[in-house]
Parts: sequence; C-alpha cells; structure tokens
Amino acid sequence: QSVLTQPPSVSAAPGQKVTISCSGTSTNIGKNYVSWYQLLPGTAPQLLIYDNDRRPSGIPDRFSGSKSGTSATLGITGLQTGDEAAYYCGAWDFSLSAVVFGGGTKVTVL
Amino acid sequence: QVQLQESGPGLVKPSGTLSLTCGVSGGSISSNNWWTWVRQPPGKGLEWIGEILHSGTTNYHPSLKSRVTISVDKSKNQFSLKLTSVTAADTAVYYCARGRHTAVAGSASIWLQPWGQGTLVSVSS
Repeated sequence: QSVLTQPPSVSAAPGQKVTISCSGTSTNIGKNYVSWYQLLPGTAPQLLIYDNDRRPSGIPDRFSGSKSGTSATLGITGLQTGDEAAYYCGAWDFSLSAVVFGGGTKVTVL
Repeated sequence: QVQLQESGPGLVKPSGTLSLTCGVSGGSISSNNWWTWVRQPPGKGLEWIGEILHSGTTNYHPSLKSRVTISVDKSKNQFSLKLTSVTAADTAVYYCARGRHTAVAGSASIWLQPWGQGTLVSVSS
C-alpha cells in the first residue's frame, strides 16, 4: 500500500493527452514539493518533473506538472508510443521523515 | 555528466545480508548531494530505502531502519547498501540515485536524478 495514491492505468490514442493524478496528505504533498518519474523496462528511471512543475533540461514541454492542495497532476500531451511506461510521483513526508512514492500509473498508447 | 552503476550479488539466501555498491562516475561523491537507494519489488511500486551525505549523515525509511546501513567510500567514489535478515519480501530491483534536497519556506523539495539502471536481487535458498 503506497502512501501516495495514483490510478493504476490510463490510456489514450497517439497525439491525445493524458493526465495522471497523485493524491496525498498534509504531511507530504500538502506541505512539500512533488516530483515525477518515468520508468521504462530495462532502463534507468528518468526524472520528468521536480518542484511540482519544473522540467529538467532535456525533458520536452509535452510533459507538465501541477499541484493543488494535497494532490498533484502530471500531464502528457501529444502522446507517443515511446511514452508507454510507468509513471511515479514522489514527495518528502514530514511524518515519516522519508521520501514516499505513489503506486505507479501505467500509460498505454492505444 | 554523473552516471551511477549498481553492482553486487543477484541472489541472497534468506536470513542473510544483501550488499550492493553504487559506483559514481562523472562527478564527486563529496558534492552536496544525498546518495540514495530505492527498490521496486516485482509487480509493485517504488520504495525509498534511505540516503547518505558524503559526511556520513544518513536518513532511513522507518520500516527498514533496524536492518539497513548505507555507507560512503570517498576513496572509491562509491556508496553502499547493506540490508540484514532478508526474506523473500526483500526481492526487488534495487536502484541507486543522486538526490537533491532544498527547502523553501519550510517546504521540502527532494528529487532524484540521475538513477542507475537497477539490479535485481532475489532472496531464495
């Protein structure tokens, strides 16, 4: 049981948009910044978003992040087959004094 | 650019000790970063294990704290993970990563980049 809650899967056709929600509490997302990661099988996980809505160098602007209250959202526009992966949100939790992650969301391009 | 690579045995016996090392290249482990271990059990999500600064300061997940030790070897530019009394529940892909911590107006910002490719450790007799 992950501390942060994500939908298990989302899907859309190529070129469309998907959003992935990440729900937490006042001790994690409600107080701290959120980051997002992409996990492709057999490759190193990739940071997509940090500080709720900032993209590292090299991450295309098709990926966006936002936060409101105790929830955060990752958006992917112009969906491509290469975006088929698992996506995880993460944040510091003051109560646990640990980084907590969501359970992951599998994106399928139809 | 910084790159990380995990190494260690892929099979550990139950009740034994899991030991992994993460080699850091392209940068110094003495930089102001938190060197981190994360794992992913088969079919499950990511679990943060803990982190260490080059000074030796550590933070561990409370559920693993009694069994985990993370250490740093500056001379070899690497850091290590030891997990004792392992069971099948510790079977997972283990990743090392570089963590960045900042704090703004009492809010913590923590993100991990880059990551190693991960190494599968199975606990079985």
